[in-house]
This record gives sequence, structure tokens and C-alpha cells, in this order.
Amino acid sequence: DAKTTQPNSMESNEEEPVHLPCNHSTISGTDYIHWYRQLPSQGPEYVIHGLTSNVNNRMASLAIAEDRKSSTLILHRATLRDAAVYYCILRVVSGGSNYKLTFGKGTLLTVNP
Amino acid sequence: NAGVMQNPRHLVRRRGQEARLRCSPMKGHSHVYWYRQLPEEGLKFMVYLQKENIIDESGMPKERFSAEFPKEGPSILRIQQVVRGDSAAYFCASSPLTRGVNNEQFFGPGTRLTVL
Repeated sequence: DAKTTQPNSMESNEEEPVHLPCNHSTISGTDYIHWYRQLPSQGPEYVIHGLTSNVNNRMASLAIAEDRKSSTLILHRATLRDAAVYYCILRVVSGGSNYKLTFGKGTLLTVNP
Repeated sequence: NAGVMQNPRHLVRRRGQEARLRCSPMKGHSHVYWYRQLPEEGLKFMVYLQKENIIDESGMPKERFSAEFPKEGPSILRIQQVVRGDSAAYFCASSPLTRGVNNEQFFGPGTRLTVL
């Protein structure tokens, strides 16, 4: 999978929006952008994914740059339960190993009450 | 619908002993993946299995590690003759029959292995 770059850590206040950036300048045209998060002492959980268009679900929104070299995960109102490590992952469409999730170090999000 | 289950949640072994980690996928899921997370690092893919088949074990260490997913029962990750460097959190994930880039993987809570 192509490489992604995320800030090591970010801080937010409760009930404020959070924008988590991810750079993926070497993304190919068929790579999907996935986000997972890992709460303390738990396994990762899926958050959202997209290809070109912005995506919304009940957990978050994903804004994808027009050139697809970067994306931003948006938590509209952070809660204390959103404190976690957030991973931005690229998944290729073609090839036989698109099931492999390649986790970097992610962004540690701290939410202040 | 119960999520992915792993047991034990914590496992302590002395050097040279064997460790057996179990994973029960979500109901209806026939694809199982094992990942390892060393302290302060992201998860690393180890192996991908379907029922009675190892599809991709490219992330498994060449020696002492093995995995299986029998027709009946949980998937097992087995580590023989454990060493201190095996201390890590081991996560299992599962996905439904259809695989592909849009296929979400559901993770278990992990087994934290400590080798003394």
C-alpha cells in the first residue's frame, strides 16, 4: 500500500469539531482512502472510507482533496469517547493483496473536557 | 450479533513455552486476519486465512509461528518457544465472504502476550 503521513498527535476540546489531516502524495488513481481508529486497549475499528468524493456517515465525514494527494477526517463534535489513535490507510483496488491493512503510527487525538 | 472474540485477553508465558491465541470471527464471516502490534507501533499484517486454507502468510515470521482456521472452531495463532521479542498485542479481524477494497475488517479486542 502507498505511504501516508499524519501528525503524531492533536488536541481538541469537547464538543468542538476536529480535523485530522492525512497526506498521501503517492496515491494512485485506484487507491481507496480508509480511516480506522483505535481506542485505548482495544482493537481498531472502521470509521469511514472514500475514493474521490467527500463521504459522510454517522461517525464522521471524509473530505478528499481534488488531486487526492491529501484527505481530512472530520469529527463534527468531539466527545471524550473519540480520544483514540486515528489511522489513515490506502487500499489498492487491483492486485491480490488488497485485504492487507497497512497501519502507520497514526494520530493520537486527545479530547479535553 | 457478537463481535470478534479473542481469548485469552492477557497471556503470560516464560521463554521457551508455547502460546496459543484464539479468535472466533463474527457470525457469517469466513475470512480471518491476524495482526501484531509491538509497543508504540502500528499494527502489522501477519496472515490471512479462510476456512481450512492459508491464503497469505507473508507477514508471519519464518520460524515458530503458525496459524490455522479449521472447518469447525476458532482460528488459532500458535507461537512455539516464545522469546521476549514476541511480547506484543495480537489482533484478529474478520470480514464477510465478499472481500475487496471496500470490505471492512472487524477487529477483536486483542490478546496481550507478555513473555517473561
